[in-house]
Amino acid sequence: KAGVTQTPRYLIKTRGQQVTLSCSPISGHRSVSWYQQTPGQGLQFLFEYFSETQRNKGNFPGRFSGRQFSNSRSEMNVSTLELGDSALYLCASSWTEGAATDTQYFGPGTRLTVL
Amino acid sequence: QQQVKQSPQSLIVQKGGISIINCAYENTAFDYFPWYQQFPGKGPALLIAIRPDVSEKKEGRFTISFNKSAKQFSLHIMDSQPGDSATYFCAASITGGSQGNLIFGKGTKLSVKP
Repeated sequence: KAGVTQTPRYLIKTRGQQVTLSCSPISGHRSVSWYQQTPGQGLQFLFEYFSETQRNKGNFPGRFSGRQFSNSRSEMNVSTLELGDSALYLCASSWTEGAATDTQYFGPGTRLTVL
Repeated sequence: QQQVKQSPQSLIVQKGGISIINCAYENTAFDYFPWYQQFPGKGPALLIAIRPDVSEKKEGRFTISFNKSAKQFSLHIMDSQPGDSATYFCAASITGGSQGNLIFGKGTKLSVKP
């Protein structure tokens, strides 16, 4: 079974631009969560989607948004990019909502660099 | 209250030795404690997980010890191998409801010397 895929793997943007990252969960998984990983802050939860609805949101500004489609694929968008948004953005999928009773499987991430 | 504190930040162990990584939490509502292993260029991968109704869980060379009263849990890697060199993250979450996101520790970079 194919794992979680994320596209693109690498992105370079300039300040003020916006970016859209894509995540395809493992087939059959309905929950997708997004995390930001930086050397200073570590892994921080952004948001979670289940059945096309945002179920949980981390402590990030409104510039960070996401959505989930009927096929469970998810996208996250960051508008008005700042230098501090440079990070590895990880997507994780699971069968059920949250990390509840279920293992979260992570993709390889999208490395975003903001210049 | 939502933090998970992990130590040490980095760890060097000789091949065949025991690697020990510790985590502490404050929120007593946490009831799921996984450990993730991350290699460079890869996403984290679940290694082993425990719930607070047991004090220890072993899978191969990896063991989680859990101390509910102290609100601490640790990962022990027995007979450490160079292939275990990676960054390890502990995490915690509240199962059920809508707060199931993982709260991660800051990570421990493990180097196993041959």
